[in-house]
Amino acid sequence: EAQVTQNPRYLITVTGKKLTVTCSQNMNHEYMSWYRQDPGLGLRQIYYSMNVEVTDKGDVPEGYKVSRKEKRNFPLILESPSPNQTSLYFCASKSIGLARNEQFFGPGTRLTVL
Amino acid sequence: TQLLEQSPQFLSIQEGENLTVYCNSSSVFSSLQWYRQEPGEGPVLLVTVVTGGEVKKLKRLTFQFGDARKDSSLHITAAQPGDTGLYLCAGASGSARQLTFGSGTQLTVLP
Repeated sequence: EAQVTQNPRYLITVTGKKLTVTCSQNMNHEYMSWYRQDPGLGLRQIYYSMNVEVTDKGDVPEGYKVSRKEKRNFPLILESPSPNQTSLYFCASKSIGLARNEQFFGPGTRLTVL
Repeated sequence: TQLLEQSPQFLSIQEGENLTVYCNSSSVFSSLQWYRQEPGEGPVLLVTVVTGGEVKKLKRLTFQFGDARKDSSLHITAAQPGDTGLYLCAGASGSARQLTFGSGTQLTVLP
């Protein structure tokens, strides 16, 4: 089954404790992206990657890091989480060049930083 | 940063009623998409509109892209409880066709 998976689905942590949220897709997509979703703000892009070893900042990159060492994986790293990073996070992927431009989203990771 | 404003933010209607959701921007987009998101899941693409003035129909849902490619609307005819969800518009721009999302419309259809 074609899908985007994220782990963990739920995470409660404390300020300053480094964490990583993993994202993996099995559709051989070149493009991957991380978003955060907050009430009333829609989805805001954190980082994106157009291919292996190519990453770029989105609209809200502060406090986050990413890496793209393999095509299928795109982990999101919070080196020193803070309470304002409490949010619902989505990973997405798509094939570049298709007219439909459809992004496939993972199920989300709900992060709480105390 | 390009902005997309959606209205209304919340909408609660009775089964069988019609409704329209609006998505507006001052920016021009190469295409515009509508997604639906259900609790505990990621957004799922409903439609992509590309040409100014384009109208697409998906069963009881009608999507329209504005002539100037700055705005869009989603009209639902005879809404059903199964239509309940968060509707998000997203405009694409740039070489990678990056998506800018609207803030969403939470639709509740009561039986």
